[in-house]
Amino acid sequence: EVQLVESGGGLVQPGGSLRLSCSASGFTFSSYAMHWVRQAPGKGLEYVSAISSNGGSTYYADSVKGRFTISRDNSKNTLYLQMSSLRAEDTAVYYCVKSLTGSSPYFDYWGQGTLVTVSS
Amino acid sequence: AIRITQSPSSLSASTGDRVTITCRASQGISSYLAWYQQKPGKAPKLLIYAASTLQSGVPSRFSGSGSGTDFTLTISCLQSEDFATYYCQQYYSYPRTFGGGTKVEIK
Repeated sequence: EVQLVESGGGLVQPGGSLRLSCSASGFTFSSYAMHWVRQAPGKGLEYVSAISSNGGSTYYADSVKGRFTISRDNSKNTLYLQMSSLRAEDTAVYYCVKSLTGSSPYFDYWGQGTLVTVSS
Repeated sequence: AIRITQSPSSLSASTGDRVTITCRASQGISSYLAWYQQKPGKAPKLLIYAASTLQSGVPSRFSGSGSGTDFTLTISCLQSEDFATYYCQQYYSYPRTFGGGTKVEIK
C-alpha cells in the first residue's frame, strides 16, 4: 500500500524557516518524480514544486522561487521542502504527491498534508 | 503557465441528479488532464486521468471527456458520498496547474 506521510509543519513567524518532510513507503521511491502542492485555508490547490526521480531536475512556482528548496534522499525514501523567508501568504496545508512516470505523469497518490501557519 | 478555468465554482444538486463540471485550458493540452475529488479535511483523491480514464476503484457513475482545451466531468447519478469539491488539473507542462474547483452541495 502506497503511503505518504508529511511532517514538519507548525507555527512560524514571518521571515522564518521550516523544513517539511515526506516519508514514502509501498513503492520504489527512487523511480518516481515527487511534488509539493499546497492549499491555503478555504482556498483551492496551488502547485508548488517538483523534483525528478533522481533529484537532478527541479521546478518551482514563481510564488516560491528563490525561497523554497525541494530535495529528496532516495536512500531514506524521503522528500523534503526547505522553506525560508516565509510570508503570511505561505500559510497552507502542504501535500506531498507522487506522480507516475512516462507518457502520463498524473498525480496518483497524495499524503494527508501538514499545516504551515505563518504568523506573528 | 497554462491557465485552467473551471466552472461552475459551485452548484446545488439533489441525490440522483446528473451533474456536469467543465474545465477549459488556455492552450491545447491534448488529453493530459486529471480530475480529483476532495472532501473537507482530506487530501484530494484521483478520479480520472488522461481526460477519460477512470482510476481503479472509482464508481462508473463518474466519467470524463474532452481533449485539446475543453473537458468535462460528469456524475451520472449523484450519490450522497459525492458531495465534495472537484478539481481538474493539467499535467501537459509545468507548472501543473489546477482549476479553481467546483463545490457540489446538497440542494
